[in-house]
Amino acid sequence: QQPVQSPQAVILREGEDAVINCSSSKALYSVHWYRQKHGEAPVFLMILLKGGEQKGHEKISASFNEKKQQSSLYLTASQLSYSGTYFCGTGDYSSASKIIFGSGTRLSIRP
Amino acid sequence: DAGVTQSPTHLIKTRGQQVTLRCSPKSGHDTVSWYQQALGQGPQFIFQYYEEEERQRGNFPDRFSGHQFPNYSSELNVNALLLGDSALYLCASSGGLNGHNEQFFGPGTRLTVL
Repeated sequence: QQPVQSPQAVILREGEDAVINCSSSKALYSVHWYRQKHGEAPVFLMILLKGGEQKGHEKISASFNEKKQQSSLYLTASQLSYSGTYFCGTGDYSSASKIIFGSGTRLSIRP
Repeated sequence: DAGVTQSPTHLIKTRGQQVTLRCSPKSGHDTVSWYQQALGQGPQFIFQYYEEEERQRGNFPDRFSGHQFPNYSSELNVNALLLGDSALYLCASSGGLNGHNEQFFGPGTRLTVL
């Protein structure tokens, strides 16, 4: 079942912070975060596994609340390069390698 | 390291035709997943191949089929094309089936069905 992302879109000024949420109706084994710029392939940001989290980038971090079946991506002091669409992908216990993606959060950064 | 490569880049077909898309995984990766991405949507999981067998499948009809070769490269075949099959088709590779590892995506093949 597809995870639900919120908000669908957000507009920030450079230097502002943002939080993107991802929730699932199923118990999650993993959460994967990707960023996709227009006309390009999704780029891996980080993966979070049950019982821990991994940071892929300095000002971009994420948390995984396994009880609530939710994950949040935090972008601090946003830069123009952060613009794009962010997708969370989830794997469950019955099919850990089958990653199902949400519909995305479009992030626009203004100078 | 060339990363994940896909061919062709763009393709135009007419309804009813058949198409084959190709993917070469990142060096060292043995698992290939295929996704369909419609405009403004997230990637939708089609299927996944490991050790030349289909291991996982999403909610796609049998018109969508695939293959993995001994060198881990993969093909996606779509028969009896419909207008709704127009999309960006992404291939992603990873190491193994444990779900711990990141997937690397290729640049995609843009399929247009007229």
